[in-house]
Amino acid sequence: ETGVTQSPTHLIKTRGQQVTLRCSSQSGHNTVSWYQQALGQGPQFIFQYYREEENGRGNFPPRFSGLQFPNYSSELNVNALELDDSALYLCASNEEDSEKLFFGSGTQLSVL
Amino acid sequence: QQQVKQSPQSLIVQKGGIPIINCAYENTAFDYFPWYQQFPGKGPALLIAIRPDVSEKKEGRFTISFNKSAKQFSLHIMDSQPGDSATYFCAASMDGTASKLTFGTGTRLQVTL
Repeated sequence: ETGVTQSPTHLIKTRGQQVTLRCSSQSGHNTVSWYQQALGQGPQFIFQYYREEENGRGNFPPRFSGLQFPNYSSELNVNALELDDSALYLCASNEEDSEKLFFGSGTQLSVL
Repeated sequence: QQQVKQSPQSLIVQKGGIPIINCAYENTAFDYFPWYQQFPGKGPALLIAIRPDVSEKKEGRFTISFNKSAKQFSLHIMDSQPGDSATYFCAASMDGTASKLTFGTGTRLQVTL
């Protein structure tokens, strides 16, 4: 087990709706990153949070936003869902300056 | 723009064989090159990683070969086992970070008996 827990495991939403995905990291992991993995593709970096501040963003629009909390939990919010947002969303965490990145099992989001 | 190109897309080897997966990158600012293994229904798990100051790194049955001048790196799995059947991703990052990764498209490996 990686110690990174994501919820829910599966989610179905309708185009235009908003969604919040949650992640719980290991204690001491003050860096959390979110990735989007489309079917048959590699994960794509969405953004990273370090000590509750955004610390880098990939090529994703502002309707993708996040929060990180002091208790090592974090959220990914997606507004105005589009069909192409259907994917596996992965949360990953690591200790500061550690190369060991731990991924959760992901949330499978389907947008209809 | 795909910055890390991975091949082959899929690979079938017999037990005991040595599958080789290749990756090529474009951005010379990349300075960290990990390989991840992903089983169905699970997130990726770090296998082995290398930095460009060395040309080869071994951990157990996994070896990374790195060619800085060619901007290529590869994963070799020695004495492959059916339990190694999974999807393998190469990745790269820059600025010393191991967490803002650019992934390849993946290689689905099947190891047969």
